[in-house]
Amino acid sequence: NAGVTQTPKFRILKIGQSMTLQCTQDMNHNYMYWYRQDPGMGLKLIYYSVGAGITDKGEVPNGYNVSRSTTEDFPLRLELAAPSQTSVYFCASSYSPNTNYGYTFGSGTRLTVV
Amino acid sequence: DQQVKQNSPSLSVQEGRISILNCDYTNSMFDYFLWYKKYPAEGPTFLISISSIKDKNEDGRFTVFLNKSAKHLSLHIVPSQPGDSAVYFCAASVETSGSRLTFGEGTQLTVNP
Repeated sequence: NAGVTQTPKFRILKIGQSMTLQCTQDMNHNYMYWYRQDPGMGLKLIYYSVGAGITDKGEVPNGYNVSRSTTEDFPLRLELAAPSQTSVYFCASSYSPNTNYGYTFGSGTRLTVV
Repeated sequence: DQQVKQNSPSLSVQEGRISILNCDYTNSMFDYFLWYKKYPAEGPTFLISISSIKDKNEDGRFTVFLNKSAKHLSLHIVPSQPGDSAVYFCAASVETSGSRLTFGEGTQLTVNP
């Protein structure tokens, strides 16, 4: 059981470039999330989805876009990369809206924008 | 506006002793609280949770205490083991928010043999 898979694990982008961070889960979870973690900071919610075709903004959505065409996949798109987007990105999924089940996180994508 | 705060960036304890990690929150709407553990180069993993209708929840060596009047929760690890060395994140949610979590900054726990 792979859980939540994120690719790539590392990436260096130049300012102004674009890229897509991939996230796939094989647990048939309806709820999926993208978080970023900056050094010394907690995880900040970028976007989330409660099911295929439904997405919504989190706390820090500017500079990002998402789509959810299938239950399994929740890619995060960075347009016009900026140094402020240097961070570690975590994708997560959840079976239920009830938080007592917790999230399953991927292992992260470390992105550097230079 | 940091709604969930972990004021201690690091904590060091001896193996076998108790580790106490603290977390404060400001949003009185939070009704579910969780602790996550994170090793380097891995994603966070769910550790233990507590509903606001309780003041204590126990799972093996891990116990979470909630003081709603003080808006404070703590994670106790007894006895601490070297494998517990990791970053611990406190998180909170409003149950009706679609399980969106608000995280604290994290506390690096080091358990010395």
